[in-house]
Amino acid sequence: DGGITQSPKYLFRKEGQNVTLSCEQNLNHDAMYWYRQDPGQGLRLIYYSQIVNDFQKGDIAEGYSVSREKKESFPLTVTSAQKNPTAFYLCASSRTPEGNQPQHFGDGTRLSIL
Amino acid sequence: QQQVKQSPQSLIVQKGGISIINCAYENTAFDYFPWYQQFPGKGPALLIAIRPDVSEKKEGRFTISFNKSAKQFSLHIMDSQPGDSATYFCAASRYTGRRALTFGSGTRLQVQP
Repeated sequence: DGGITQSPKYLFRKEGQNVTLSCEQNLNHDAMYWYRQDPGQGLRLIYYSQIVNDFQKGDIAEGYSVSREKKESFPLTVTSAQKNPTAFYLCASSRTPEGNQPQHFGDGTRLSIL
Repeated sequence: QQQVKQSPQSLIVQKGGISIINCAYENTAFDYFPWYQQFPGKGPALLIAIRPDVSEKKEGRFTISFNKSAKQFSLHIMDSQPGDSATYFCAASRYTGRRALTFGSGTRLQVQP
């Protein structure tokens, strides 16, 4: 079945540590996205990529980094510069970057601080 | 200008009743308005979407009403069922320029049996 796989499901970060969240899609979609979800705040865009080897900052990119070396993969690194990383992180993809394309979401990674 | 405001924050409806969730936007460049449904521990899933050239779109028990002049749109769930209990998000995006979705803050719907 085609879809988006996020791993791990749960992740714990120590102070000063960088952690990387995995996102893989087998939908052959061009565009991929990372969102952060906090209670009562909806989903906020961290980074998005419209095509391989290209990505753009979203609304809350500080303390995060991404890469898009392969079409199917869009990993997110939460760096030590992100002072409040505890949240539910969602990866999504769409067939093309156009704004009217449905976004398909993975089941998320819940990140907590130890 | 990127904001999408959603209300209410939570909603309790009796089985068989109508659930209504409202959203308002500021950016007149938005031209795609989807609604997503999210169950606990899962990612959101697209429920229904509308373009601003129509005032209403219906799919089964779910209807989007769109008022372009007021910059508002709403989701109506007819004959609400306990299985509809979830968090609902409205969103908006542009066809050109920054095309990523801007989400509302979400509405937690509980349908009581």
